[in-house]
Amino acid sequence: NAGVTQTPKFQVLKTGQSMTLQCAQDMNHEYMSWYRQDPGMGLRLIHYSVGAGITDQGEVPNGYNVSRSTTEDFPLRLLSAAPSQTSVYFCASKTTGVNEQFFGPGTRLTVL
Amino acid sequence: QQQVKQSPQSLIVQKGGIPIINCAYENTAFDYFPWYQQFPGKGPALLIAIRPDVSEKKEGRFTISFNKSAKQFSLHIMDSQPGDSATYFCAATRGSGNTGKLIFGQGTTLQVKP
Repeated sequence: NAGVTQTPKFQVLKTGQSMTLQCAQDMNHEYMSWYRQDPGMGLRLIHYSVGAGITDQGEVPNGYNVSRSTTEDFPLRLLSAAPSQTSVYFCASKTTGVNEQFFGPGTRLTVL
Repeated sequence: QQQVKQSPQSLIVQKGGIPIINCAYENTAFDYFPWYQQFPGKGPALLIAIRPDVSEKKEGRFTISFNKSAKQFSLHIMDSQPGDSATYFCAATRGSGNTGKLIFGQGTTLQVKP
């Protein structure tokens, strides 16, 4: 199993550009989520999904969109990037009834 | 509003020392408290977790102490090694709710000197 994979590993955007961060898992986990990690702030939940077709907002959802068309994939979209979105983004997944979440390797995003 | 507060921000110990990282939470509905370990350039990985019905849990050199009345929990690393140098995050969630919405502390960067 590859576990949780994320692409790209690094990305530089200009203010106002859009992009999609990809996340996939091959563990058939129902639950997937996106976090951003900023110095001194820990990890903060952006959006999460409890299954295909179901998404909900986390702690810091503004400026981000998600969709969950399949169990395996959970992309995160930035429609108009802002410098405040410079961060490291982590995708995570878990299965129902088990609390352990598995994190991907992260995407480091810089918005100029 | 920071629902989980973690301290210290950074910690330096000698090999063999016992670093202690502390966390405090506010929401009494939380019922699952994991600790994650993160190495540079990697994603966080679950290290050890505890539920509020026990006061202590040990896994190898790692121990969680839990004080439900004070709403505090801490991580102790026994006989610390240079390979333990990493960033540690405490977290909390309503495990029974099963949404897995983790609330993280701010993180502690640990350096273990040889």
